[in-house]
Amino acid sequence: AQTVTQSQPEMSVQEAETVTLSCTYDTSESDYYLFWYKQPPSRQMILVIRQEAYKQQNATENRFSVNFQKAAKSFSLKISDSQLGDAAMYFCAYRSPNNWIYNQGGKLIFGQGTELSVKP
Amino acid sequence: DAGVTQSPTHLIKTRGQQVTLRCSPKSGHDTVSWYQQALGQGPQFIFQYYEEEERQRGNFPDRFSGHQFPNYSSELNVNALLLGDSALYLCASSSRDGRSETQYFGPGTRLLVL
Repeated sequence: AQTVTQSQPEMSVQEAETVTLSCTYDTSESDYYLFWYKQPPSRQMILVIRQEAYKQQNATENRFSVNFQKAAKSFSLKISDSQLGDAAMYFCAYRSPNNWIYNQGGKLIFGQGTELSVKP
Repeated sequence: DAGVTQSPTHLIKTRGQQVTLRCSPKSGHDTVSWYQQALGQGPQFIFQYYEEEERQRGNFPDRFSGHQFPNYSSELNVNALLLGDSALYLCASSSRDGRSETQYFGPGTRLLVL
């Protein structure tokens, strides 16, 4: 079974600085998807960034980028120029590829989360 | 373009009661997944519905059941509520139109069981 581990329960960053959140996962699959979701105090889960395992290039979305190390099974999130609105709980998530014949691949497996605070 | 909506936003029940939570998927999406998020934890997958059938299920007892309607909206039913069922229940929708099938979440329903 796949597992996702976030070893940093809490992180803090100064406004305008850069912070990196860590995530490791365990799987025997060669093809899969990785996600970072943000959950602010409102508890709405918001997609931040997505990475396909078959793509070697690291995904980037504006100030958010990932460092995907497939061999090490590591998937870290870098937030550049941190803003007060970035303060939230961040979850790393794994999903197997879809296999509709066997109804597989639908579920997201989440880590325990990292609480990010941003200091003005 | 309306996102995923859920109702109600908050709910208080007592042990032994039954509850029904509702979800309307994002426009163009045909698949609905339900997750339970206890306080301080990551979400846990309950089940997924597509074409009005349960396609995949997580490690939850039969007290948790669901339904999907022809308009793709979905319900989550929980019978014989336990104190441990208190949690945020998240609905996520997606579209089976390719490999990626990114899931987009609703605002959640907060259930408190007394």
